[in-house]
Amino acid sequence: EDKVVQSPLSLVVHEGDTVTLNCSYEVTNFRSLLWYKQEKKAPTFLFMLTSSGIEKKSGRLSSILDKKELFSILNITATQTGDSAVYLCAGGNAGGTSYGKLTFGQGTILTVHP
Amino acid sequence: ETGVTQTPRHLVMGMTNKKSLKCEQHLGHNAMYWYKQSAKKPLELMFVYSLEERVENNSVPSRFSPECPNSSHLFLHLHTLQPEDSALYLCASSQVDRIYGYTFGSGTRLTVV
Repeated sequence: EDKVVQSPLSLVVHEGDTVTLNCSYEVTNFRSLLWYKQEKKAPTFLFMLTSSGIEKKSGRLSSILDKKELFSILNITATQTGDSAVYLCAGGNAGGTSYGKLTFGQGTILTVHP
Repeated sequence: ETGVTQTPRHLVMGMTNKKSLKCEQHLGHNAMYWYKQSAKKPLELMFVYSLEERVENNSVPSRFSPECPNSSHLFLHLHTLQPEDSALYLCASSQVDRIYGYTFGSGTRLTVV
């Protein structure tokens, strides 16, 4: 059975801190690792990673994948109160003519205090 | 709006009621999904429709019945639910051959009383 585990489950920091969120996965026919941010309802897409060792960056957020260790991290530097959210990690096994099946972790609840 | 619209946003129903959740996507995708998100649990995939054909049903109780009349619309029919079915129900869509662009709706917050 496919499995994705995130840690920590929750994290409380102050503005300006740097945080690292962890995600380990065991996904059959793994193709990609996705990160989402969920503030109120709809998870919104952050990154999709398919290759090991290549960092993806978007502003203060960055992520990297290690396909040997089956691991990904999401870094947020200079955190702001607007970064408070649940961060979801998902392993995907779509490709070719297959539909996109995602297996999600439990999420990390990030709270950033002023 | 993300391009995937879910209605209603909130629903309270009794255990003997019958109701339906609706999802509509305007992204030209051809695969649609229902997920359940309960407190402190990972998002659980319930059903997958690919090219309007149900291709996955993850041991979901029969009191949940999906329907996909076309590639833009997805329904989840509910009847005789239990209080433990209270959760956020999320719809998503994607292209069949890719994960990038997998898009979620805002969800329906369901409370069963």
